[in-house]
Amino acid sequence: KAGVTQTPRYLIKTRGQQVTLSCSPISGHRSVSWYQQTPGQGLQFLFEYFSETQRNKGNFPGRFSGRQFSNSRSEMNVSTLELGDSALYLCASSLVGAEDTQYFGPGTRLTVL
Amino acid sequence: AQSVTQPDIHITVSEGASLELRCNYSYGATPYLFWYVQSPGQGLQLLLKYFSGDTLVQGIKGFEAEFKRSQSSFNLRKPSVHWSDAAEYFCAVGLYGISNFGNEKLTFGTGTRLTIIP
Repeated sequence: KAGVTQTPRYLIKTRGQQVTLSCSPISGHRSVSWYQQTPGQGLQFLFEYFSETQRNKGNFPGRFSGRQFSNSRSEMNVSTLELGDSALYLCASSLVGAEDTQYFGPGTRLTVL
Repeated sequence: AQSVTQPDIHITVSEGASLELRCNYSYGATPYLFWYVQSPGQGLQLLLKYFSGDTLVQGIKGFEAEFKRSQSSFNLRKPSVHWSDAAEYFCAVGLYGISNFGNEKLTFGTGTRLTIIP
């Protein structure tokens, strides 16, 4: 079974632009979570989606948003990019009833210049 | 709010030596505890998890962890490390369970970077 896939793997943007990152969960997984990883702040929870609904949200500004499609694929969007948004963005998926076990993708490395 | 502390930022161990990575948590109830490993340029891989029951948990790649409620600790151990174990290790606390359904998320520690010397 294929793992969690994230596209693109690397991205370079400039301040003020917006970006959309994509995550395809493992087949059969309906819960998708997003995390931001930076050297300064470590791993921080962004949000979690299940059945196209956001179930939980971390402490990030409204510039960070996401959505989930009916096939469980998820996207996250960051508008008006800031230098501090440079990070590795990780997506994780899990089975219904087993949300405790999350499977992570390789991440998207976003660099904001 | 729950929190996780990994007091060791960087640990260097000789190949074949034993390893213990420390993790302390702060949470009002017995949390769900996890250890993840991240190799350079990669995502996170789950090594093991603890929810309840036997306080000594076996994981993949020969790792184990022991939950000690009295010390609020969940230390990761391996009797003999291999060069391929060089990576960053993260301890995490999860809010799961029936009463917390809909609040699923992981709170991670800051990580411990493990270097293996020949």
